[in-house]
Formats: sequence, C-alpha cells, structure tokens
Amino acid sequence: AQSVAQPEDQVNVAEGNPLTVKCTYSVSGNPYLFWYVQYPNRGLQFLLKYITGDNLVKGSYGFEAEFNKSQTSFHLKKPSALVSDSALYFCAVRDAKRGSYIPTFGRGTSLIVHP
Amino acid sequence: DGGITQSPKYLFRKEGQNVTLSCEQNLNHDAMYWYRQDPGQGLRLIYYSQIVNDFQKGDIAEGYSVSREKKESFPLTVTSAQKNPTAFYLCASSDRVDSNQPQHFGDGTRLSIL
Repeated sequence: AQSVAQPEDQVNVAEGNPLTVKCTYSVSGNPYLFWYVQYPNRGLQFLLKYITGDNLVKGSYGFEAEFNKSQTSFHLKKPSALVSDSALYFCAVRDAKRGSYIPTFGRGTSLIVHP
Repeated sequence: DGGITQSPKYLFRKEGQNVTLSCEQNLNHDAMYWYRQDPGQGLRLIYYSQIVNDFQKGDIAEGYSVSREKKESFPLTVTSAQKNPTAFYLCASSDRVDSNQPQHFGDGTRLSIL
C-alpha cells in the first residue's frame, strides 16, 4: 500500500523568508513523488516531480524539493517567500511498481505568507 | 490551448435529484479521473478510466456513476443515493494510468444542496 502524510495543516511565513512544506511517504517499491498547488476555487497545478536521479528537484515559480530516501521525505522549499505563494499545497505519491497506478494525495497544507 | 474543461462551475441539487458534471479534455489523454475534495480531507478518488468504454471504482464510488463513451469526455453523475454530495469536484487526466507524468486538472465544479 502507498500513503502520504503532510503533517502541518497550515504553515505561516513572513514574506522574504524561506519556506518549507513537509511531506513524508510510504511505498513498498520506489516512489514517484509530485507537488501541486491549488488557489481558491481552482484546480490543482503541477509544480514539480521526482521520478529518479538527482535528489534536488527544481520546479515552477522558484520552488524546489529534496527527495530523501532514508527519511522517506519530499519537502517543498523556496528560498524567499512571496505573498502570492499563499495557497493550498498537495503532495502526492505513486508506487513505481507495476500495478500501483493511481497517486495518493496528502490532505494538503495551507501556506500563508504574511507581508 | 490544451486543457481540461469542467462545467458548470457551480451546481445546485434538489432532494432526490440526479445531477451530471461535465469534464472534457483536448490533451489526447487516455486516462481520466474524478476526485472529491472536502475541506481538510485532501482529494479522494471517485472513479477513473484507463481507456474508452472502461472505468473502475475508486475509494468512494457509492452514490456516483460515470461513462466513457468518447476519449475526450468523462461525465460524472451524482445520484440521489449520494446523501452528502456537497463538495468540490475535480476532474483530471494523464496520458496513461501507469504514467510517471503528472495529472492535469480542471478548475472544478462546486456542488451544493438546495
């Protein structure tokens, strides 16, 4: 079985400060990992993914994430937060082994960036 | 521009009524999905389809039905058997169900009870 956890319902950060949104996962094989962002009354937009290779993944809007196999984590980071980054962030995981098709989504973390 | 179109954006259901949510994609994707989003619960899978004329139940299929008669279209019917239908419904697609590529999402339909 596959699962994903976003341990924080909400993250607050001041504009200009670095931000981290946490994600941990559990799979029996190797993971495919994804981050999405959702603005109010909109669908999810893809930010970045880890499939294989370099543990540091760079994505859209200056976001990056670090894959840590030993800690089974894939935390989303940005060096300098913007007020416009305020949104709901979802981590998703899919087990790469054959037969595990549908990604499992976390419950989401609300990021609030204060001016 | 390629993408997913969901309609209507807002929908109201009366007691005992079935309602249908539309989802159309022009990305030439084989796989399509329906999710339900409730506050604090993330996304829960209702149904998915790997190919035309095929669909599979997800985690919360009771009270819902789907069809996949065309590659581009995957409508969701919320039946009167669904006792708590108030939620935000999201349609998504991907090139294949077993793809390592991300899903593409529509902008959702918000369903409420009258």
